[in-house]
Amino acid sequence: KAGVTQTPRYLIKTRGQQVTLSCSPISGHRSVSWYQQTPGQGLQFLFEYFSETQRNKGNFPGRFSGRQFSNSRSEMNVSTLELGDSALYLCASSLVGENSPLHFGNGTRLTVT
Amino acid sequence: GENVEQHPSTLSVQEGDSAVIKCTYSDSASNYFPWYKQELGKRPQLIIDIRSNVGEKKDQRIAVTLNKTAKHFSLHITETQPEDSAVYFCAASRTGTASKLTFGTGTRLQVTL
Repeated sequence: KAGVTQTPRYLIKTRGQQVTLSCSPISGHRSVSWYQQTPGQGLQFLFEYFSETQRNKGNFPGRFSGRQFSNSRSEMNVSTLELGDSALYLCASSLVGENSPLHFGNGTRLTVT
Repeated sequence: GENVEQHPSTLSVQEGDSAVIKCTYSDSASNYFPWYKQELGKRPQLIIDIRSNVGEKKDQRIAVTLNKTAKHFSLHITETQPEDSAVYFCAASRTGTASKLTFGTGTRLQVTL
């Protein structure tokens, strides 16, 4: 089975721009979550989508948004980029069910200059 | 919200020795505790998880113990090998929010020859 696929692997953007990251979950996984990983803050939960609906949300500003499509693929968008948004953005998918383990993708490394 | 503390931040052991990483959590409603291993430049990978109705779980050289009263759980790696060198993260989540993991700050484990 193919793992969680994230594209692109690397992105360089300028302050004020916006960016869209893409995630394809493991086949059969209908829940997709997004995490931000930085050296200073570690791994932080952004949001989770299931059946095209946001099911849980972390403590990030409204500039961070996401969506899920009917095939469970997900995108996250960051608008008005700030230098502090530079991070590794990780997508994770899981089966539906209580405490199903998360399987992470390799991430998208976003650099904001 | 949930807060997960992880210690130590770095750990150096000789090959063949045991390594122990400890985490404490604050939310008494948390009931799922996974551990992830992240090698340099790679995605976090689930190595073991435990649910609150179990006190201990073992998988070959890896074991996790949970003390719900003390809100404390630990990862034990026996007979360490160089390939165990990585950053290890503990995490916690509560019922109904399994994808919303709160991570510890990570432990960098170095296994020396």
